[in-house]
Amino acid sequence: GQQLNQSPQSMFIQEGEDVSMNCTSSSIFNTWLWYKQDPGEGPVLLIALYKAGELTSNGRLTAQFGITRKDSFLNISASIPSDVGIYFCAGRRNNNDMRFGAGTRLTVKP
Amino acid sequence: NAGVTQTPKFRVLKTGQSMTLLCAQDMNHEYMYWYRQDPGMGLRLIHYSVGEGTTAKGEVPDGYNVSRLKKQNFLLGLESAAPSQTSVYFCASSYQGRWTQHFGDGTRLSIL
Repeated sequence: GQQLNQSPQSMFIQEGEDVSMNCTSSSIFNTWLWYKQDPGEGPVLLIALYKAGELTSNGRLTAQFGITRKDSFLNISASIPSDVGIYFCAGRRNNNDMRFGAGTRLTVKP
Repeated sequence: NAGVTQTPKFRVLKTGQSMTLLCAQDMNHEYMYWYRQDPGMGLRLIHYSVGEGTTAKGEVPDGYNVSRLKKQNFLLGLESAAPSQTSVYFCASSYQGRWTQHFGDGTRLSIL
């Protein structure tokens, strides 16, 4: 099935650094979403993007819906230890067809 | 607020055994979903339901069955478990299809 290409697979950064990750696909999506998953828990929605070119922020997080509708990126500024986790992108074409990236595992060193 | 509750949290089965995973939501959501999460891959949709009494196949439905007899519950069944079904299973619900999906904490299933 169509999966999204998410990169990088993992990141090791120092506290205070900025982080950038992205998701690409060969298919067009109508909605892009970014989730965070902590160990032993389900994914939690961070940001949802509904229009091509849209740039949305949620605190230190900023995400953009690519103009081509085939990509999206997530930036985290001034990382802190609680940012540790796995970040997933997801693209949605219609109500029930949502595809997920494989995730970016973020480690933040104090 | 319980949100989406999955039971059990862990289970070990032998090949060929059957079992049912339960998902319950207390948010009066219409839509419910079952996903599986495997290492190195994103979540993949198994089955979903757009309302009480309805179910539909997702991306990877083979080997699973589902039922939505009550609006708040969505059951995932494995009739004859296989090692390839070893995974972490997540349930999610949303008010409608375009709305945010809320996830449970997952069920870790191992099949020997």
